[in-house]
Amino acid sequence: QVQLQESGPGLVKPSETLSLTCTVSGGSISTHYWSWIRQPPGKGLEWIGYLFSSGGTNYNPSLKSRLTISRDTSKSQFALRLSSVTAADTAIYYCAKVGGTLDTFDFWGQGTMVTVSS
Amino acid sequence: QSALTQPASVSGSPGQSITISCTGTSSDVGGYNYVSWYQQHPVKAPKLVIYEVNNRPSGVSNRFSGSQSGNTASLTISGLQAEDEADYFCSSYTSSSTAVFGGGTKLTVV
Repeated sequence: QVQLQESGPGLVKPSETLSLTCTVSGGSISTHYWSWIRQPPGKGLEWIGYLFSSGGTNYNPSLKSRLTISRDTSKSQFALRLSSVTAADTAIYYCAKVGGTLDTFDFWGQGTMVTVSS
Repeated sequence: QSALTQPASVSGSPGQSITISCTGTSSDVGGYNYVSWYQQHPVKAPKLVIYEVNNRPSGVSNRFSGSQSGNTASLTISGLQAEDEADYFCSSYTSSSTAVFGGGTKLTVV
C-alpha cells in the first residue's frame, strides 16, 4: 500500500517561494508517476504538475513559469517549488500517485495547508 | 486549460439514484476514455471511486458507476446512503498531456 506525506511551511510571505516535500513509502518514485494537486479553501481541485518515473516533468500551463517539481530518489521524496507566490496560491496542497492513466490519482497524501500572507 | 463543468449541487433521498455530469471538450473528455471521479468528505483527501470512465478500484461499492457520451461523462450513485454525502470531482486527461479537474459537485442526501 503506497503512502504519501506532505511536509513544509504552513505560512509563506507574498513574493517568496513556496517549498513542499512529499515522502513516499510502499512504492518506488522511480517506477511510478507522481503529481501535485492543490485546493483553495472551499474551492475545487487544481492539477499542478507531474513527475514521471524518468525524472521528467509536465506542468499546468498557468503555473509553468513559477513551478519546479523535482525528486530525491535516495530519500524517496519529491518536491514542489512555486516562486513569487501571492494570496491566490493559498490552498491545501496534496501529493498523489498517478494510476494507470494520467487523469487517475489513486493514492493521496493527507494534504498540507499553505497560507500566503505577510 | 479550463476546468470541466459540473453542477454545483445535487441531492437525493436514501435509496434513490443520482447522476452527476462532467462536461468538457473534444480536447479532454470527448477525446479520450480517460475520466476519473473522486469523492471528498469534509477535511479529508479525495478518494478515487471511478477510473477510465467506468472502472471501480478495489473496495469501492458497486453502487458507483460511470459512463460517457461525447464530451460529457457521468457518475451515477445508486441506492443512495447517508455516507455518500460528500463533494465529487471529475478529472480528465487532455490533449496537452496534462490533467484537468471539474469544479466539483456537492451531494446532499436528504
